[in-house]
Amino acid sequence: QITLKESGPTLVRPTQTLTLSCAFSGFSLSTSGVGVGWIRQPPGRALEWLATIYWNDDKRYSPSLGSRLTIAKDTFKNQVVLTVTNVHPVDTGTYYCAHFTRSGHWDSWGQGTLVTVSS
Amino acid sequence: DIVLTQSPDSLTVSLGEGATLSCKSSQSVLYTSTNKNYLAWYQQKSGQPPKLLIYWASTRESGVPDRFSGNGSATDFTLTISSLQAEDVAVYYCHQYHRLPLTFGGGTKVEIK
Repeated sequence: QITLKESGPTLVRPTQTLTLSCAFSGFSLSTSGVGVGWIRQPPGRALEWLATIYWNDDKRYSPSLGSRLTIAKDTFKNQVVLTVTNVHPVDTGTYYCAHFTRSGHWDSWGQGTLVTVSS
Repeated sequence: DIVLTQSPDSLTVSLGEGATLSCKSSQSVLYTSTNKNYLAWYQQKSGQPPKLLIYWASTRESGVPDRFSGNGSATDFTLTISSLQAEDVAVYYCHQYHRLPLTFGGGTKVEIK
């Protein structure tokens, strides 16, 4: 059974860096074809893909956030970390991590962590 | 970017009645070499993460009730709930994984009449 759990700060000040962790179990990020990604959801709004890291350490980012995002994995700790630099109030929302299958879709999601950006 | 447009924004249906949700893509999400549509449907209940219902446009995820079905190809897709149950109240999102950046539709909210 695949499980994922996000953790991180609930409140971040504008211009600061947000660091989120995703601890997972039930799969290995060294298995060919799989990945872990981050998707966020502003309150009352739709889902937005942010970044994906693959088993081979390949990384893909949303162009809309571009250089503000960094994703990294620790295969031995079964953990993926996302950093978002220079946050603004529009970055407020629930951040989810999810398991990316070999088929290309997300089949398991964490419960999400709500992040508020406010001074 | 591939834009997914879902309609209607919201839908009110009586228990036991059927519901059809639409998702239109600005570009084809059909990968011709595999003949697969890279389109998934998710259900999100209030306060919960999205749950995968359908992938490859029409393949039901394990454990998903067979009242949920997906159809369509290339740019036009539908999710059908054949007989709405109380537990189906949720927002439904389509998602394309054909091309980066990955994108989601704006969602359709399904409520009980």
